[in-house]
Amino acid sequence: DVKVTQSSRYLVKRTGEKVFLECVQDMDHENMFWYRQDPGLGLRLIYFSYDVKMKEKGDIPEGYSVSREKKERFSLILESASTNQTSMYLCASSLYSEAFFGQGTRLTVV
Amino acid sequence: QQQVKQSPQSLIVQKGGISIINCAYENTAFDYFPWYQQFPGKGPALLIAIRPDVSEKKEGRFTISFNKSAKQFSLHIMDSQPGDSATYFCAASQNNNDMRFGAGTRLTVKP
Repeated sequence: DVKVTQSSRYLVKRTGEKVFLECVQDMDHENMFWYRQDPGLGLRLIYFSYDVKMKEKGDIPEGYSVSREKKERFSLILESASTNQTSMYLCASSLYSEAFFGQGTRLTVV
Repeated sequence: QQQVKQSPQSLIVQKGGISIINCAYENTAFDYFPWYQQFPGKGPALLIAIRPDVSEKKEGRFTISFNKSAKQFSLHIMDSQPGDSATYFCAASQNNNDMRFGAGTRLTVKP
């Protein structure tokens, strides 16, 4: 089974902190994605990567950056966390079309 | 602005009934249209998907209907069961890359 693992289920951070969300997949997938999920807004694409060291902006990249130094790992970075970044963050990976999701990280910024 | 518009936001259906969720898109470059199912506390999981060269795909009680000219597609759940209660997302992608999702539909199937 494909496994996408997000490092934390729940995180509480303070405004202004630098926050790292880590995601690891074990199936040698080319593509990896970061989404945030908010009620009534569905899943919104923040960034995606189709290869090591490659990244593309999604629909809401402002306030975020990403890093993909190894194929299996895709990190989302909140440079200076703000309260409007309180959300559920979902990582996914895909090889062809089907995307496999992690269980999500519930981030609260206080 | 969402590239995939989904409706309704919530849906209540009696056990045994038909659940219908609709989606519309604008980008004609999209070539893959999946539906994902999400249970509380879990990430979304692929339920069924279609490519634009066919108008319908059926897997068990789940059917996708696809209308390329109208740029619309829908999910039909036949004989809906309480275990189908979940949030459903439609999505669209092109060239196996950036996948865009709808806003989601929370389905409740009453026993």
